[in-house]
Amino acid sequence: QSALTQPPSASGSPGQSVTISCTGTSSDIGGYNYVSWYQQHPGKAPKLMIYEVSKRPSGVPDRFSGSKSGNTASLTVSGLQAEDEADYYCSSYAGSNNVFGTGTKVTVL
Amino acid sequence: QVQLVESGGGVVQPGRSLRLSCAVSGFTFSSYGMHWVRQAPGKGLEWVALIWFDGDNKYYADSVKGRFTISRDNSKNTLYLQMNTLRAEDTAVYYCARTPYSSGFYPPDYWGQGTLVTVSS
Repeated sequence: QSALTQPPSASGSPGQSVTISCTGTSSDIGGYNYVSWYQQHPGKAPKLMIYEVSKRPSGVPDRFSGSKSGNTASLTVSGLQAEDEADYYCSSYAGSNNVFGTGTKVTVL
Repeated sequence: QVQLVESGGGVVQPGRSLRLSCAVSGFTFSSYGMHWVRQAPGKGLEWVALIWFDGDNKYYADSVKGRFTISRDNSKNTLYLQMNTLRAEDTAVYYCARTPYSSGFYPPDYWGQGTLVTVSS
């Protein structure tokens, strides 16, 4: 099972929005509504930000939103803040496997 | 609150073995599937293994199949990863992580803080 494809980097100024894509296939993202997004700061464990494509766990700011179209999922961070600078990974249910994205480093300019 | 605490990492020579543990609290351990996920230095996340809630079903990434064994002791609220015939490319931070359901390859929700395994002579 190949990793999901994410852009290596994305950036935005404080207050702006940034959108990260996560591209898979009909065997993972396109076939199921179980896409999750994680935020990881340096030296820290991943933290769940979005699950089941667009749901936010308790405590996650509503600046974070998720969506899906076909085989591509997206994470949008609105109103960028300095603390949003981190690596972001997607993950999808894939039937008989679990697959993660390649990761995107978000920089707040 | 949900807590997952890994232990057992360290420096080990190639070809040797190591067993990782993950002690959990704050939820009914026996009701959830559990993953091991690793991250090599400076690299992305790589799924390693999954065990269903009752321990009857276990799944592995091709890169560790035949060398690693995932197991659990629901009476001790503890998850394990037995790693044999270790290679340099197994060097990584190993995370235990909970699935949101009792079975199935669903992406994790809660993660431990990780334990570093370094395979080097």
